[in-house]
Amino acid sequence: GAGVSQSPRYKVAKRGQDVALRCDPISGHVSLFWYQQALGQGPEFLTYFQNEAQLDKSGLPSDRFFAERPEGSVSTLKIQRTQQEDSAVYLCASSPRLLAGRDTQYFGPGTRLTVL
Amino acid sequence: GQQVMQIPQYQHVQEGEDFTTYCNSSTTLSNIQWYKQRPGGHPVFLIQLVKSGEVKKQKRLTFQFGEAKKNSSLHITATQTTDVGTYFCAGSLRVLPSNAGNNRKLIWGLGTSLGVNP
Repeated sequence: GAGVSQSPRYKVAKRGQDVALRCDPISGHVSLFWYQQALGQGPEFLTYFQNEAQLDKSGLPSDRFFAERPEGSVSTLKIQRTQQEDSAVYLCASSPRLLAGRDTQYFGPGTRLTVL
Repeated sequence: GQQVMQIPQYQHVQEGEDFTTYCNSSTTLSNIQWYKQRPGGHPVFLIQLVKSGEVKKQKRLTFQFGEAKKNSSLHITATQTTDVGTYFCAGSLRVLPSNAGNNRKLIWGLGTSLGVNP
């Protein structure tokens, strides 16, 4: 079956530009996570949705980062006024149940964002 | 703060040698998950350990969860070039205040990058 998909796979933005990254989770998965992974580092938690509710956004690094999942399926991570330090791979993961931290997370291929 | 440490950061072995990566937490974990990320790829779930002292095997991979549920290890016997990648542990911690469905968080280690020389 279809896994988690993300688009675009690669994005180059000029500093100050706004970007929107899309995640299509596995159909029916309740939980959705966004992570930021810098080169050579592990995934850093950004935010977590349970259906359409954003239950944890403690990992968002600044108010320039905003995520939504309005209908409980597709999610969008928006970064406003991008800066060079935002350059990273943005990973989306979904899991089937409500239990954050207990379920297997299925990752998408990621969006590699480069800010010039 | 809550941390999950992984060692070593890098290791290169000759094909056929064994490899072990260790994961240590400053606090007791509810469970621990292991993921593998191939170069240029995304993390792929390997296994979850829940019980104190649990040992699970997947072919040449052996996963252990410590008695105190604060440490874990992944051991690969007779490495192959297909084992190349970065192995991450992710520990589940209870967080407070708790909300329904959100009383745990996965804290990721920095990973151990394994290189295998053929």
